[in-house]
Amino acid sequence: DAMVIQNPRYQVTQFGKPVTLSCSQTLNHNVMYWYQQKSSQAPKLLFHYYDKDFNNEADTPDNFQSRRPNTSFCFLDIRSPGLGDAAMYLCATSRHRAGNQPQHFGDGTRLSIL
Amino acid sequence: TQLLEQSPQFLSIQEGENLTVYCNSSSVFSSLQWYRQEPGEGPVLLVTVVTGGEVKKLKRLTFQFGDARKDSSLHITAAQPGDTGLYLCAGAEGGSNYKLTFGKGTLLTVNP
Repeated sequence: DAMVIQNPRYQVTQFGKPVTLSCSQTLNHNVMYWYQQKSSQAPKLLFHYYDKDFNNEADTPDNFQSRRPNTSFCFLDIRSPGLGDAAMYLCATSRHRAGNQPQHFGDGTRLSIL
Repeated sequence: TQLLEQSPQFLSIQEGENLTVYCNSSSVFSSLQWYRQEPGEGPVLLVTVVTGGEVKKLKRLTFQFGDARKDSSLHITAAQPGDTGLYLCAGAEGGSNYKLTFGKGTLLTVNP
């Protein structure tokens, strides 16, 4: 059974129209991550939550926000999507925040911007 | 910013062939992870290596961490179509820097 679930799998939105992507986990992991992956590029970390502690990457645009209302759920909000935000968005979890901790990924949400 | 260079970027081979893909950096990593990502899915962890010179085997896959912990290789013996996918390496600097730096990956296609 899937342990990190992302919804929806595919999302189409209009330029400038806010969109929310969701991620849930059944692993009870402390850390939840959001990555952006564009075609033929490495996954790029946007931000992560360590428990309720939010950690933003320095180069993550202000357009991207996140919420973690409880241990199981984490949301990615894009306030005003631009064409350059079209990408696969991956959610991942790990038990602890350490470099040797395996990360468990969801299957991603592919976002298209019209 | 640490960079991980993966090579080759694309590899297309016939079933039964052997192959090696590489992950190189000028930086030292405390640990390095290999993931496989199939089309339309998220990456799945294959292995974590933490000791310089370490070799780990996972069935037909052999992973090696360089002695200086700056590079790693993945060797697949007798490749099968089910091995097709994007192979990503990801390194962690360690200590207070827990974040993973991903390479761009090697896209492997194994033809029947």
